[in-house]
Amino acid sequence: DAGVIQSPRHEVTEMGQEVTLRCKPISGHDYLFWYRQTMMRGLELLIYFNNNVPIDDSGMPEDRFSAKMPNASFSTLKIQPSEPRDSAVYFCASRGLINYGYTFGSGTRLTVV
Amino acid sequence: AQSVTQLDSHVSVSEGTPVLLRCNYSSSYSPSLFWYVQHPNKGLQLLLKYTSAATLVKGINGFEAEFKKSETSFHLTKPSAHMSDAAEYFCVVSSANTNAGKSTFGDGTTLTVKP
Repeated sequence: DAGVIQSPRHEVTEMGQEVTLRCKPISGHDYLFWYRQTMMRGLELLIYFNNNVPIDDSGMPEDRFSAKMPNASFSTLKIQPSEPRDSAVYFCASRGLINYGYTFGSGTRLTVV
Repeated sequence: AQSVTQLDSHVSVSEGTPVLLRCNYSSSYSPSLFWYVQHPNKGLQLLLKYTSAATLVKGINGFEAEFKKSETSFHLTKPSAHMSDAAEYFCVVSSANTNAGKSTFGDGTTLTVKP
């Protein structure tokens, strides 16, 4: 298995532009999580899905952020419009049974200038 | 409800000396506990997990952790630190009965290994 795959690895964009981050979870995992990591705030859970359904989006900072999971093998996190304070590393993780822990992707480093 | 507290935000050791990273947890139900490691500019990698089997759990790279229910602790240890162990470490608690499957992460402990 190739693990959790995130794209792009790096994204540099101008303030006000739309940004879309992508994630392919491990096949068979029925939970998918989006996290954001910054030096100031550490690791923050943004939203998570179970069987493609959003369960808890209380961590999504603003309406500018949205996430979808149209099928079991793909999820997107969109920021529109982007702002410099959105600069961070965004991680996607997936999980099957709770006893097995998460598998994280390599992350997308987003820089908004 | 569940929570996890990593007692040290930074730990510094010399190469070849023991490592101890401390983690206390709180959970209303039987917890599953995990340690993850994050090397600079990398994603998080599972080091080891406790899931109600043996209380002493062995992980990758020589790390181990002991689940102590009476102390609600799950401290991570390694007998001899290596330079490559320098990273950030996260303790995580999960309970099947709470939070609909969501795990709670600690704030992380940064391990520095001096030559």
